[in-house]
Parts: sequence; C-alpha cells; structure tokens
Amino acid sequence: DAMVIQNPRYQVTQFGKPVTLSCSQTLNHNVMYWYQQKSSQAPKLLFHYYDKDFNNEADTPDNFQSRRPNTSFCFLDIRSPGLGDAAMYLCATSRGTTGNIQYFGAGTRLSVL
Amino acid sequence: DAKTTQPPSMDCAEGRAANLPCNHSTISGNEYVYWYRQIHSQGPQYIIHGLKNNETNEMASLIITEDRKSSTLILPHATLRDTAVYYCIVRGDNTDKLIFGTGTRLQVFP
Repeated sequence: DAMVIQNPRYQVTQFGKPVTLSCSQTLNHNVMYWYQQKSSQAPKLLFHYYDKDFNNEADTPDNFQSRRPNTSFCFLDIRSPGLGDAAMYLCATSRGTTGNIQYFGAGTRLSVL
Repeated sequence: DAKTTQPPSMDCAEGRAANLPCNHSTISGNEYVYWYRQIHSQGPQYIIHGLKNNETNEMASLIITEDRKSSTLILPHATLRDTAVYYCIVRGDNTDKLIFGTGTRLQVFP
C-alpha cells in the first residue's frame, strides 16, 4: 500500500526540454519535500511546501520549480534540464509538526539525453 | 544542524548483530538523532530516532552515549534484506528538514 507515490519511476527527457515529475500522497500530510539524489551521493533537499507555503533552499537552482495544487499532489518542474540534472528525484511527506518522521516515495530516476 | 560522521562501509554476517556507529560531537541540547536507511533504488526509510534515552522498536535499537556525542544503531539479527546505506542525521526540534550525510553502506553476507 504505497503511501507516497511517484510517477513515473523512470523518465527520459532531452537536453533543454521541460519535464515534470509528480508525487501524490495518501497520508494527508501537510508538508511535502523534493530531494535530488545524484549517483553515489546522499539526498539533497531542493525545497518543501508547508501547506501552501513554499520554502526554497538557498542553493537550489532557478531551473527547478514546484507546484502544489492541493494537499495530495506536488510537482517538480525542471524548466531546461541539463546533463547535470540527471539524478533520482525523491518526494517525501511529513505531518508537519517539527521533528516528525518523513515518508519517502520510491523516486523517479531522470535521464537527460 | 550538527554534522555527523559515519564509517563509509561495514560488513556483517547474516544472523549476527550489526552495530553502526555515528559521531555527532557538536550536537546541541534540542537536537535529535535520526536513522534512515536506503535500500538500492528505493527511497529512504525511517528506522528510529532518539534524544538522549536509548530507544528500541521492531526494526532496531538506538544507543546514545551519555554525553550525546555519539550513537550506535543496532540491528540485532541482520538479514540479507538489511543491506543498504544507513544515514545518521541530527535534526533540531525547530526544523522539518533532514540533512543527509554520506552514510554507511552496510553489506550483509550469507
């Protein structure tokens, strides 16, 4: 019973062609996160939503945007993917009070050709 | 957030206890120690967390030293399915963020 669902699991895009990754959750959590994980590296937080409030990490490139139309869904938009954006993208949720456990999806592996 | 130091890799025989150490010498009073693991090609999975007392759940035990500068995650009877990267994370009670370090790659062998 997947609780944080990421689609697709694998995504291939072309250099410079916009791509959107999606995440949905059945936990009714009010915080949703996006992480980038490059090969053999640890996950790195890109941004998160606390309800509708967007919180960007200082070093997240402008090329990365996010939308959260409702509690259940969150999207990661990469406006002009470069070869360096090839990575696993992980979505996570938490209940929203500080210190709560984060639940992760299985990730979307993005390839850029 | 305080930084953590973990050995890059460890081996463990199946059925034996796996003891994964973590140093967090700059931890402050309101920071918790969290452990997550990431099995290959999957998202990270929460294991356990603690503040200063030892904790145990169905997955593992967490032993935190009295000065809180280090901790050990114990998998009492490791199985092949426990092969993963284990991340020790120090997290303040005033933040929702997880800052992942490099982790320990645990290999459980038959």
